[in-house]
Amino acid sequence: SQQGEEDPQALSIQEGENATMNCSYKTSINNLQWYRQNSGRGLVHLILIRSNEREKHSGRLRVTLDTSKKSSSLLITASRAADTASYFCATDGDNDMRFGAGTRLTVKP
Amino acid sequence: KAGVTQTPRYLIKTRGQQVTLSCSPISGHRSVSWYQQTPGQGLQFLFEYFSETQRNKGNFPGRFSGRQFSNSRSEMNVSTLELGDSALYLCASSLRIISGANVLTFGAGSRLTVL
Repeated sequence: SQQGEEDPQALSIQEGENATMNCSYKTSINNLQWYRQNSGRGLVHLILIRSNEREKHSGRLRVTLDTSKKSSSLLITASRAADTASYFCATDGDNDMRFGAGTRLTVKP
Repeated sequence: KAGVTQTPRYLIKTRGQQVTLSCSPISGHRSVSWYQQTPGQGLQFLFEYFSETQRNKGNFPGRFSGRQFSNSRSEMNVSTLELGDSALYLCASSLRIISGANVLTFGAGSRLTVL
């Protein structure tokens, strides 16, 4: 079964705009991670935020975590056509890593 | 260093057959996890192996099995294939450091089509 749920399921924006994706989860976590998947390929790790952190930045990525609401958001600033991909949140608990269903982001040039 | 290698990349089977997929992790990574990805269900956790032992198992029928060898390479097997087993099977390896974050490195996947 999946742990996280991303919202929205799909997002279409213009190049240069910001993209925000949300993730909600159900159980306690040690950390939460975001991955990107280009069409039909493997996932690539983007960023990790620990349960005791509230915000983290990496280049054009900004991740927030609210453990009281069991939710996280991923912000991609100044998006590019190359950012077109599916984005997944993954919760790392005491057992295994569970992924959400993903948000499909399309960035139009 | 070499990434996670999955073979074969594509395969077509018929219902009732069985299939074995292989995964070679990044050198030094002792944990290998398997996921099934379908358009309707997203990524579903199959199992994780660490040092040749199954560490966790997802909610899949017994037709799905796996193993890990002493060199950390892993195989998964699906017996008596069903149409619904058509999916992209992803393998991921990690260091699995105790008390540390478990960051996964994925292979490109094996796309299985069951006819």
